[in-house]
Amino acid sequence: DADVTQTPRNRITKTGKRIMLECSQTKGHDRMYWYRQDPGLGLRLIYYSFDVKDINKGEISDGYSVSRQAQAKFSLSLESAIPNQTALYFCATSDPAGDGKETQYFGPGTRLLVL
Amino acid sequence: SQQGEEDPQALSIQEGENATMNCSYKTSINNLQWYRQNSGRGLVHLILIRSNEREKHSGRLRVTLDTSKKSSSLLITASRAADTASYFCATDASGSRLTFGEGTQLTVNP
Repeated sequence: DADVTQTPRNRITKTGKRIMLECSQTKGHDRMYWYRQDPGLGLRLIYYSFDVKDINKGEISDGYSVSRQAQAKFSLSLESAIPNQTALYFCATSDPAGDGKETQYFGPGTRLLVL
Repeated sequence: SQQGEEDPQALSIQEGENATMNCSYKTSINNLQWYRQNSGRGLVHLILIRSNEREKHSGRLRVTLDTSKKSSSLLITASRAADTASYFCATDASGSRLTFGEGTQLTVNP
């Protein structure tokens, strides 16, 4: 089974709708991240969390919110989706205590289309 | 703006040739990492080089880092069609988060 899973894998929604993207991990990592990727561009950090009680904004947090329900779960919400939030969204994890602590492990991505 | 900028944006080579991709960044870093992404899929970590290292090898991968020029290069030797993917550099300046470049799209033709 994959270590980092994302649901749904694909989602089509309409402008103004609230949607939630979910991420679960079995790696036992404390740190989790949400990124978005737009065509031909690199990844931009939306939010990150270093433990259940820690939430931090990334470079593009406007229009998004997150919830860290447990060590293994980190959800990203779009309260009122807009078309320019159409993108590929990735969840990632890292382990600050491990030998490869700076390495991030990515989920398969959620492709979101906002009409 | 992105910390890492990659060059070239796209590279097309024949199987067996070497592929070189470059990354430039703007601020001091703790380490620089290279990731690979197959079309529409999640990124996979390839190699990490720390700020006090100048060169690192992993299989067919060779990474160099020049902190005075704030640049890094990734060399893939004896490329294969399966190496076709996008390659991203990512810099760790704070020990807590990565900043990714825009990537190089590598196509290896059989």
